[in-house]
Amino acid sequence: DSGVTQTPKHLITATGQRVTLRCSPRSGDLSVYWYQQSLDQGLQFLIQYYNGEERAKGNILERFSAQQFPDLHSELNLSSLELGDSALYFCASSVDLTGGNTIYFGEGSWLTVV
Amino acid sequence: GIQVEQSPPDLILQEGANSTLRCNFSDSVNNLQWFHQNPWGQLINLFYIPSGTKQNGRLSATTVATERYSLLYISSSQTTDSGVYFCAVLRTGNQFYFGTGTSLTVIP
Repeated sequence: DSGVTQTPKHLITATGQRVTLRCSPRSGDLSVYWYQQSLDQGLQFLIQYYNGEERAKGNILERFSAQQFPDLHSELNLSSLELGDSALYFCASSVDLTGGNTIYFGEGSWLTVV
Repeated sequence: GIQVEQSPPDLILQEGANSTLRCNFSDSVNNLQWFHQNPWGQLINLFYIPSGTKQNGRLSATTVATERYSLLYISSSQTTDSGVYFCAVLRTGNQFYFGTGTSLTVIP
């Protein structure tokens, strides 16, 4: 158990819909990262938050957004869903901003868009 | 970005055999981690190893930062070692870059 909690574990939804994925980081960790893993793209970095502020952005679509709340949990919002958004979405956390310490991954949220 | 190459891409071993997985990266980094992704999709931390050598049971890892590569050794492999092994690197101010992984199958 990495200490990073993600919900839901599995989600099936229809095209055009909107979903929210939730992440609770390890106790004491201020950085939260979101990654997408699809069959054809591998593991892709989406976005990083540190202590409530966005700090780095990767290949995140405009239809996707995220935020980190004062209690440090984070949510990834995916809207106008397309079939190609079907993937495993990971949240990860670490204690600092620089990545100079271990980054721990949650178990992921499986999203299937039908 | 930082290029991360892993080799071999696929590996099939008989139970009990040893193996070495390699990760080459294109720039200096301050974080390098090895992960095992099991058949259920979970990404399990194996090592945080930006430099030096570490051992954990049947697994060990060595990173030579000056030459920009890392090795993961698996000894006396077991069927539960099957899955995909990822190397990931991070440089301060940038994202965590993953390699394309080594898919390991251990047959009884």
